This record gives sequence, structure tokens and C-alpha cells, in this order.
Amino acid sequence: EVQLVQSGAEMKKPGESLTISCQGSGDTFKTYWIAWVRQMPGKGLEYMGIILPADSDTRYSPSFQGQVTISADKSVSTAYLHWSSLKASDSAIYYCASLYLGYFTAWGQGTQLIVSS
Amino acid sequence: EIVLTQSPGTLSLSPGERATLSCRASQSVSGNFLAWYQQKPGQAPRLLIYGASHRATGIPDRFSGSGSGTGFTLTISRLEPEDFAVYYCEHYGNSPQEFTFGPGTKVDIK
Repeated sequence: EVQLVQSGAEMKKPGESLTISCQGSGDTFKTYWIAWVRQMPGKGLEYMGIILPADSDTRYSPSFQGQVTISADKSVSTAYLHWSSLKASDSAIYYCASLYLGYFTAWGQGTQLIVSS
Repeated sequence: EIVLTQSPGTLSLSPGERATLSCRASQSVSGNFLAWYQQKPGQAPRLLIYGASHRATGIPDRFSGSGSGTGFTLTISRLEPEDFAVYYCEHYGNSPQEFTFGPGTKVDIK
């Protein structure tokens, strides 16, 4: 099973850009789709999109298309989530998770993002 | 687009009691792609059940899943102190590809 370690908490201002990361263990990382999931304060889980690090095939939830960019670098077993211009409403915890047959089988520890002026 | 509804929103029970959580889909879904997750405060979610009824690796047998079509159930046979958490159901649809979570059921201590 892949192990996922995410980058640390961030505090940013509206309008700033940000990339957070999710590093997986070993060669198995390339063979699993990696998803990003948002959890706003006190709320439930929202699927954002997925990427296959082996070839960077990327799919977005319609709700997040155009709002974020998902990418990966298989040489360092890392997936990324990028915002070009943050909004206060982007404040949330963001999880990466490995996907197998439609299930999120392993999760990163989460990255908390606070966007405030 | 499939919508998942979970009930009740909150379930207040005592350790040792049986918990029954419901997940209903807005249209019939394949049980092969219905999962349950547990999330404790300050922690990432954890996969409990996949394929509606199969326990994930390391999940105690007090957790069981059942159901088909539009109605699915997660049962915790005897609540342990560590089971008080929020539980989410999730469905994977492949046409179009989409992952949908239910709003969650919080199981708290009575």
C-alpha cells in the first residue's frame, strides 16, 4: 500500500499563489491514481480531481475545473495541487489519497490552508 | 449526477450498543462502487468498507456493510470507545467519472 506524506500547513493572503504537495512511497506511487479531496471547516469531503503520475493523465470534478491545477512529477513520486490566485473561500484542509478501483485506500495526513488578509 | 444522503445526521449511543447508519442514493448504483470511511477529529479519513460489504485491511469484524440499489447500511455491532467518529459513504461513478461523498453521520457518545 502506498504511503502519502503531505506538505505542511499554509497561511496565505487572498490573491497569492500556492502549490501544496503529496509525496508517495516507492515505485507503487506511479501505478495508482492520486486524488485531491477538500474538507472545509466543519464540513464534509469533496472530491476535486485525480491524476495518474505515470503519465499525468488528469481529471477534474466539474466543481473544481478551472479553479485549481493538479500535476505530478513521477521522478520524485509527488503530486501537486496549485492555486494561481487564492480566495478566502479556499480555506480548508486538503487531503491527497490513493485510488484503487474507485476507493480511496490510503490518505495523506492533510494540509491545512488558511487564506486571510 | 448521483446524490448520496446519510441518516441520521447524528447518532448518540453508548459504548457496547449497536450502530446502524444509512446511506441512500438518488438513483440505483452499483454496490461494487460503494464505500464507507471513518474520520476521527483531526485525522484523515480511513477506508472501512468497499464494494458495499467488504472490510478493508485491518478493519475489525464489528464493522459490516450491506445493501444494494439505492440503500446501503453500515453496522457497528458493538461500539468501542474508538468508534465514536464521523462516517461517510462514497460512490464512484464511471459515466461520467465522478466520486460522490455523502454528508456524513456523526456517532457520538450518549
